[in-house]
Amino acid sequence: KQEVTQIPAALSVPEGENLVLNCSFTDSAIYNLQWFRQDPGKGLTSLLLIQSSQREQTSGRLNASLDKSSGRSTLYIAASQPGDSATYLCAVTNDYKLSFGAGTTVTVRA
Amino acid sequence: GAGVSQSPSNKVTEKGKDVELRCDPISGHTALYWYRQSLGQGLEFLIYFQGNSAPDKSGLPSDRFSAERTGGSVSTLTIQRTQQEDSAVYLCASSTSVGGAGAGELFFGEGSRLTVL
Repeated sequence: KQEVTQIPAALSVPEGENLVLNCSFTDSAIYNLQWFRQDPGKGLTSLLLIQSSQREQTSGRLNASLDKSSGRSTLYIAASQPGDSATYLCAVTNDYKLSFGAGTTVTVRA
Repeated sequence: GAGVSQSPSNKVTEKGKDVELRCDPISGHTALYWYRQSLGQGLEFLIYFQGNSAPDKSGLPSDRFSAERTGGSVSTLTIQRTQQEDSAVYLCASSTSVGGAGAGELFFGEGSRLTVL
């Protein structure tokens, strides 16, 4: 059974600091890894999708890396802003099913 | 539609009543998923559809839960004889493809918040 762990569970930083969020998974036979953002009371918004053959994906201030062999992914958010405050979840796909981590709740202080 | 649409957004019901939750996926998306998110918990997989077929129903918590999808589009999740432990946010997601290399990006709806009194 795939286990996904996200560390830390919560993170508070001053505005402008770079964020580093970690995700690890136990079964490296994944097809892809996806990072999501969830605001309180809302659904999940897809941020980045990394296919298993890729090492990283970038979108604006966001960069996600994938090391499939070691079962790890890292999401970097550059120059954080208060609007980045949210819970960030990673999910990996084995066959058809996505397995989610519990998330990292980020607070960016103005 | 532009995104995944779910209704109702909020539902309060009494214990023992039946509820239906609806999901309208992104047009053309063949894969549809239901997840449950309980307060303070992670996302729990319930069921997925490829077209109108549900190859894996193993995530459904009990036989009070059922789901169907018609026309390869709209899906309904039905909970019979609701219990207080069913209170959660039920999230629907759709994708262009299921599994395999190049599996599609998953897009979520805003969820249906169910409260069982």
